[in-house]
Amino acid sequence: AQSVTQLGSHVSVSEGALVLLRCNYSSSVPPYLFWYVQYPNQGLQLLLKYTTGATLVKGINGFEAEFKKSETSFHLTKPSAHMSDAAEYFCAVSEGGYSTLTFGKGTMLLVSP
Amino acid sequence: GAVVSQHPSRVICKSGTSVKIECRSLDFQATTMFWYRQFPKQSLMLMATSNEGSKATYEQGVEKDKFLINHASLTLSTLTVTSAHPEDSSFYICSATPGLAGGDIQYFGAGTRLSVL
Repeated sequence: AQSVTQLGSHVSVSEGALVLLRCNYSSSVPPYLFWYVQYPNQGLQLLLKYTTGATLVKGINGFEAEFKKSETSFHLTKPSAHMSDAAEYFCAVSEGGYSTLTFGKGTMLLVSP
Repeated sequence: GAVVSQHPSRVICKSGTSVKIECRSLDFQATTMFWYRQFPKQSLMLMATSNEGSKATYEQGVEKDKFLINHASLTLSTLTVTSAHPEDSSFYICSATPGLAGGDIQYFGAGTRLSVL
């Protein structure tokens, strides 16, 4: 069975500061990993995904994530936070192909001026 | 990018009534659609997976007679909450994947907030 752990239900940063959202996973097979963002009362938007190949993945809005197999991690980073980045972020894992997604509990990112 | 439309965005109903939620893929054919439920400040919980033309596969603990799913075409899936009760109040989100035609990324609708009085 696969699972996802997101450390910290809330992360607060100042505008312009580094954003780091943590995600650890467990999977019995090589995982596909995803980060989604959810704005209030909206669905989820894909930020980026890792399937195979390069372990550093770049996504939309300046976000990137690095797959570290030895640490079973897929942390999301952005060098400089913007007010518009305030939202809830979900890490998810699947077993590849067209299998179902398992989501973490989410991390709310708060950005202060 | 691919667009998934979900309707209605919000619905308020009386206890005992049924509510239908539609999920449409607007610019691609969705071989598979998923239905999720999200409680406040919690993650998405998969309720069921539906493939066009076949019966939906429900996750453990989800009542199939309570949550009826119909995936009648490659662009439309519906979720009907039958005889809704206050405990069914939640945020319901659908997603769709193009499958082999376009990869396995899930594209999400904007969600439906159901409030049962």
